Amino acid sequence: NAGVTQTPKFRILKIGQSMTLQCTQDMNHNYMYWYRQDPGMGLKLIYYSVGAGITDKGEVPNGYNVSRSTTEDFPLRLELAAPSQTSVYFCASSIGLAGASTDTQYFGPGTRLTVL
Amino acid sequence: AQKITQTQPGMFVQEKEAVTLDCTYDTSDQSYGLFWYKQPSSGEMIFLIYQGSYDEQNATEGRYSLNFQKARKSANLVISASQLGDSAMYFCAMREFFLGGNQFYFGTGTSLTVIP
Repeated sequence: NAGVTQTPKFRILKIGQSMTLQCTQDMNHNYMYWYRQDPGMGLKLIYYSVGAGITDKGEVPNGYNVSRSTTEDFPLRLELAAPSQTSVYFCASSIGLAGASTDTQYFGPGTRLTVL
Repeated sequence: AQKITQTQPGMFVQEKEAVTLDCTYDTSDQSYGLFWYKQPSSGEMIFLIYQGSYDEQNATEGRYSLNFQKARKSANLVISASQLGDSAMYFCAMREFFLGGNQFYFGTGTSLTVIP
């Protein structure tokens, strides 16, 4: 049981390039999330999904896109990379039981992205 | 206004002593959840403890307990009998519920160092 996996672990992009950060979970969780963590800061929610085909914006969605075609996968797309997107990106998932406030999130190991 | 405030950027504690990490939150919702996560230097996010807004008793998980004071909107983490392996960043987080979705907010973290 791998939990939440993310690829790549590290990436350097040039300004204006595009890339997709991959996230896969094998726990059959309904909810998936993308966060970014800037140096010395807490996590900020970018996008989340409550199930296949359903996505919604978090606190800082600008410059990113997501899709959720399957329960397992939740890729994050950066279309025109900017230096402000240099950060560590975490994917997470949770069971997402209706009405359950506990809903613990399980995090992937993170992707360290640098935009130069 | 900040949704989650952690006012202690860094804390030191002697091994085997107890330590309290402060967290205050801001919400007008009646239903919400409060979480604490640990982030070691390796970078992964580890769930520690959860408190629901309707829970009347303080949550406990092994050496971790959450001192929940609803009227003061505080959710302090207490670590008893500190161990060297407790040295890490600690993040307080809140989940807000609303019709059709939810949002997660993280604080800026407290760096805990356990001294032998």
